[in-house]
Amino acid sequence: DGGITQSPKYLFRKEGQNVTLSCEQNLNHDAMYWYRQDPGQGLRLIYYSQIVNDFQKGDIAEGYSVSREKKESFPLTVTSAQKNPTAFYLCASSIGAGGASKGYTFGSGTRLTVV
Amino acid sequence: DAKTTQPTSMDCAEGRAANLPCNHSTISGNEYVYWYRQIHSQGPQYIIHGLKNNETNEMASLIITEDRKSSTLILPHATLRDTAVYYCIASAGGGGSNYKLTFGKGTLLTVNP
Repeated sequence: DGGITQSPKYLFRKEGQNVTLSCEQNLNHDAMYWYRQDPGQGLRLIYYSQIVNDFQKGDIAEGYSVSREKKESFPLTVTSAQKNPTAFYLCASSIGAGGASKGYTFGSGTRLTVV
Repeated sequence: DAKTTQPTSMDCAEGRAANLPCNHSTISGNEYVYWYRQIHSQGPQYIIHGLKNNETNEMASLIITEDRKSSTLILPHATLRDTAVYYCIASAGGGGSNYKLTFGKGTLLTVNP
């Protein structure tokens, strides 16, 4: 079955270390997104990418970096510059331009804890 | 995306219909109404979307008022597994020209036995 896979599900890192979260999709979707969710809050957009080798900052991009070298993959790096990295990170994909669709397909998330 | 307003929380008895309201009074003509839900510690799941007409699928029904300023998501026979946060989003995106969907805090629906 097609889907979107995030790994790992849980991740622990020491403060000051960079960490990369994986996101892979086999849905042949053009667009991919990273969101952050804090307890009791909605989702906040970190970065998004509409096509390979192109990406844009979302609302809270500071302290994060991404790459989109392949259509299927959109890894997120949480750098040491991110002041409060402990959160639940969600990756999503969508089919791309061309009118409304079923919107986003989400992965199951990665819970990052920085100690 | 147009701003949406949802109640913070709602309760529903198991087996009864759950009616979740959403106000989107500033919605534009090209903006769809999307509903997603998020079960605790999982990624959000698409439920349904619509533009003007009422929509129904295997999960739910979406009723949009004629002036499109509000909508209601209906889960016809709620089960305990429907306990989740439900997000209402008004956007031309999610596959259209605007790629970004904005998720607010949503409504926590608790289905009680």
